[in-house]
Amino acid sequence: SQELEQSPQSLIVQEGKNLTINCTSSKTLYGLYWYKQKYGEGLIFLMMLQKGGEEKSHEKITAKLDEKKQQSSLHITASQPSHAGIYLCGAEPYSGTYKYIFGTGTRLKVLA
Amino acid sequence: GAGVSQSPSNKVTEKGKDVELRCDPISGHTALYWYRQSLGQGLEFLIYFQGNSAPDKSGLPSDRFSAERTGGSVSTLTIQRTQQEDSAVYLCASSEVGLAGAEWETQYFGPGTRLLVL
Repeated sequence: SQELEQSPQSLIVQEGKNLTINCTSSKTLYGLYWYKQKYGEGLIFLMMLQKGGEEKSHEKITAKLDEKKQQSSLHITASQPSHAGIYLCGAEPYSGTYKYIFGTGTRLKVLA
Repeated sequence: GAGVSQSPSNKVTEKGKDVELRCDPISGHTALYWYRQSLGQGLEFLIYFQGNSAPDKSGLPSDRFSAERTGGSVSTLTIQRTQQEDSAVYLCASSEVGLAGAEWETQYFGPGTRLLVL
């Protein structure tokens, strides 16, 4: 079965540092989504990528989807304590079904 | 062990009809979450239950949407007088303790119910 692998599983960084989270699929994806779960809230949609080579940014968070549409990276610049949480990638497989799959999540802690 | 299950997997209904979606969380999980994913959009958080209580219902799109959970287990999401814009995949997730508990808790997702309103 198709799966999404996320790395690293957990990350602790000093405030102000940059960081990258990766999400990899063994097969081409139709759409790739990034979410964040912050303490006290449900999953929050960050951004969606659909085109090979696409890159989107929101505030200090940038997400990229590679040309093959099999790997995405989420990059946070100058991290802040407010960035702490669990980052989850999700995807719609290219099989044409709606069976969404999710990565295992990356736990990010930002030290002030 | 068994994961989160949802039923039905697909539902096609006519505009104006009521629908009921069911979620069976992982046994022993206190928290249960409902999300919606519309075509071309990300997951939208709808509601979450801590036991049988829903501390925050503000994520529900309109008063046509309601959800309940009984016995700290099964949950149903009901949509009354369905509209075409309700068409989406409805996802349920559960976690051991919930938002009021562990900070780094993983949510386990069900396969979703695909709702199509004609």
